[in-house]
Amino acid sequence: QVQLVQSGAEVKKPGSSVKVSCKASGGSFSSYAINWVRQAPGQGLEWMGGIIPIFGPANYAQKFQDRVTITADESTSTAYMELSSLRSDDTAVYYCARGIIAVAGFDYWGQGTLVTVSS
Amino acid sequence: EIVLTQSPATLSLSPGERATLSCRASQSLSGYLAWYQQKPGQAPRLLIYDASNRATGIPARFSGSGSGTDFTLTISSLEPEDFAVYYCQLRSNWPPMYTFGQGTKLEIK
Repeated sequence: QVQLVQSGAEVKKPGSSVKVSCKASGGSFSSYAINWVRQAPGQGLEWMGGIIPIFGPANYAQKFQDRVTITADESTSTAYMELSSLRSDDTAVYYCARGIIAVAGFDYWGQGTLVTVSS
Repeated sequence: EIVLTQSPATLSLSPGERATLSCRASQSLSGYLAWYQQKPGQAPRLLIYDASNRATGIPARFSGSGSGTDFTLTISSLEPEDFAVYYCQLRSNWPPMYTFGQGTKLEIK
């Protein structure tokens, strides 16, 4: 049974950074993609970027290119998403989701991490 | 950049009716399209991958079709648990990059 377990809720000040973790279990970590998707309150889904550990560097949506860093630690089957220069409109639930390399679709999702940016 | 437009924004139907949700792309796609269902307070659930393949455990009343720029999610006979928000998602070929549609809310009439 594949599970993605994310770190807990965060409250951050504007201008700071946040790092969210996503620990995978029950599957082969390195040969799948781990993607990060966020959802602002009452809004839709927004893909931020993803990484396939066996292929190396992450790919990012253009909107987040300058502020997000996605990494993966194969030794602990954990992926990380760090978002810098936080603003109030970064307040959202951040999800990690597993992607299958050869198809379109994220088959397993983490439970979500609420990041609140407030002064 | 490819834009996905879902229609309608809101669909009001009754249990037992057929639901047809549309997703239109601004450019022709290679078929790398997925559909998700999301209920309040929950993570999205994959329904359809590669335009027409049901994900594991998804009931047969859900089906996906389409190619090029026009894709459809059909729910043949609505069950009470099907009322939710539905998103389409495209994937570029390589490297994999993703875009979501803005969603269709399926509500009980």
